[in-house]
Amino acid sequence: NAGVTQTPKFRVLKTGQSMTLLCAQDMNHEYMYWYRQDPGMGLRLIHYSVGEGTTAKGEVPDGYNVSRLKKQNFLLGLESAAPSQTSVYFCASSYEGPSGAQHFGDGTRLSIL
Amino acid sequence: ILNVEQSPQSLHVQEGDSTNFTCSFPSSNFYALHWYRWETAKSPEALFVMTLNGDEKKKGRISATLNTKEGYSYLYIKGSQPEDSATYLCAFGTSYGKLTFGQGTILTVHP
Repeated sequence: NAGVTQTPKFRVLKTGQSMTLLCAQDMNHEYMYWYRQDPGMGLRLIHYSVGEGTTAKGEVPDGYNVSRLKKQNFLLGLESAAPSQTSVYFCASSYEGPSGAQHFGDGTRLSIL
Repeated sequence: ILNVEQSPQSLHVQEGDSTNFTCSFPSSNFYALHWYRWETAKSPEALFVMTLNGDEKKKGRISATLNTKEGYSYLYIKGSQPEDSATYLCAFGTSYGKLTFGQGTILTVHP
């Protein structure tokens, strides 16, 4: 019973490097979300998707790109990592959008040196 | 940017105490109000999703109420236990499909 799976769980990057975080869900959910969690800032929405092939900007989208080519996968990309992007990243999915409970992955801890 | 505020920021109670937290949100464009429980080193887990003014939800010793006209929700915990220690998040949802989270209330229950 996997639910929402995030890979990798930890990663250290150097400034300027690129990487992709993968979120996979096996619950046939339409809606998927990427958040970042920083001390004292709570969960802030980066990008989200309301269905396969769609993406939309959240509260803090700058420096990130996303793709939802398959319904079960939502990818978060950092093209040129910056120290300000050091954070814990959470992916979530829901069946009914804003009226459906969100199911979260275990998070990816990313450090940019 | 929507303003979702939670109070208090942190709370220390003794085992057996009852407690409550507040979530304030915009009263316009309301679609749903969520409560999540977030334990240290884990991911947030949904407690309640409420969509109608006057909604009341209950799960064991935890309950929540919703007032969409004045823009607030209360979360109540009756007879707090040490295992209730966690961060409690509320989130406001609009019809656009996304949620805006508050910063959370950190609850510590002392044995």
